[in-house]
Amino acid sequence: GAVVSQHPSWVICKSGTSVKIECRSLDFQATTMFWYRQFPKQSLMLMATSNEGSKATYEQGVEKDKFLINHASLTLSTLTVTSAHPEDSSFYICSATQDKQAYEQYFGPGTRLTVT
Amino acid sequence: GQNIDQPTEMTATEGAIVQINCTYQTSGFNGLFWYQQHAGEAPTFLSYNVLDGLEEKGRFSSFLSRSKGYSYLLLKELQMKDSASYLCASMDSNYQLIWGAGTKLIIKP
Repeated sequence: GAVVSQHPSWVICKSGTSVKIECRSLDFQATTMFWYRQFPKQSLMLMATSNEGSKATYEQGVEKDKFLINHASLTLSTLTVTSAHPEDSSFYICSATQDKQAYEQYFGPGTRLTVT
Repeated sequence: GQNIDQPTEMTATEGAIVQINCTYQTSGFNGLFWYQQHAGEAPTFLSYNVLDGLEEKGRFSSFLSRSKGYSYLLLKELQMKDSASYLCASMDSNYQLIWGAGTKLIIKP
């Protein structure tokens, strides 16, 4: 149980275009979802926390107009990278919990984004 | 500020034992996590400690000392497949995970 999927697993896009990444909890209801970014040989960096039906809370330094997060249902959250630039190339990972205070986050497999 | 420190890289021999240390400073504390991450993959959960002491789970054990802000992950009977990065993360008072940069573990035959 507690499976989280991400789609796509990898994507290549041209500079200036937008890319949408989906995160789904397959067998549980995720009241809270987290979006992380990880550059090579670096730690996970939390970008934002989203709760179903409300606006996402962005971490300091993360542009909310560039990284659009929508948590429309208890099983789906989307991250849209708008007007992508090569420096946005990274590994994007989502995780989900059943409760904000739940101690375990279930991670998706990640999405490798390359912007050319 | 919030900070997690762990060694950048460690090398060990197949069949041996290795201990990966982690020190943490976070605003509040709701537990210490260890995750394993293979290259190009998402992290997978290994252990969770919220009380002082040692938690054993098969070949992996995790220890916590809250007074010292210290944890370690102990891996026994190392196998080649254990080559990965091991991430230490502390959960703060807002139930947010604060991540270390990870320790890359290299296993040699």
